[in-house]
Amino acid sequence: AQSVAQPEDQVNVAEGNPLTVKCTYSVSGNPYLFWYVQYPNRGLQFLLKYITGDNLVKGSYGFEAEFNKSQTSFHLKKPSALVSDSALYFCAALLYNNNDMRFGAGTRLTVKP
Amino acid sequence: EADIYQTPRYLVIGTGKKITLECSQTMGHDKMYWYQQDPGMELHLIHYSYGVNSTEKGDLSSESTVSRIRTEHFPLTLESARPSHTSQYLCASSEGRLAYEQYFGPGTRLTVT
Repeated sequence: AQSVAQPEDQVNVAEGNPLTVKCTYSVSGNPYLFWYVQYPNRGLQFLLKYITGDNLVKGSYGFEAEFNKSQTSFHLKKPSALVSDSALYFCAALLYNNNDMRFGAGTRLTVKP
Repeated sequence: EADIYQTPRYLVIGTGKKITLECSQTMGHDKMYWYQQDPGMELHLIHYSYGVNSTEKGDLSSESTVSRIRTEHFPLTLESARPSHTSQYLCASSEGRLAYEQYFGPGTRLTVT
């Protein structure tokens, strides 16, 4: 079955430290991968995507993600976390039919001052 | 911020009532989606549309129906609301040809008493 997994429900980091939010995928063909962020009582905001090309993609708010085909992973990273980064983060993969975006269960990131 | 709008933002309604959740986008996107999300949980696709007069059911079985008479408008209707319909409903759209990321509205938080 095609799926996206976020193995951590919760990630806690101190402000100023690097952060990583993990994502692995199992989809057919070449994956199109995405990260979204959701703040309380809001819809999801697109952060970044990997379609093809450079394995390291940069997105909004200083976030970046690294596509690793051999490990089927697409981890979200930021060199220095801010308290305002605290939110719910979703990894997603576009299925081969280009119509269905499969989302992970989400990871709640808490950045403590 | 994406140009996709949902109304109402919050709705409390009694069992058995008919309701329509509105979703509009001004980006000219062909593809539109409805997701159901319990607070802080994963998203479940309930309906999607490729374009005008095209609608499909998603992974999650839903008693709701949708219509797509105009490109910019994708309303979701519940003929008879039940407490089990209590959830957050997120509408999204995507360009779908050259760009695949989805843009989300702010959501409608529905409570059925």
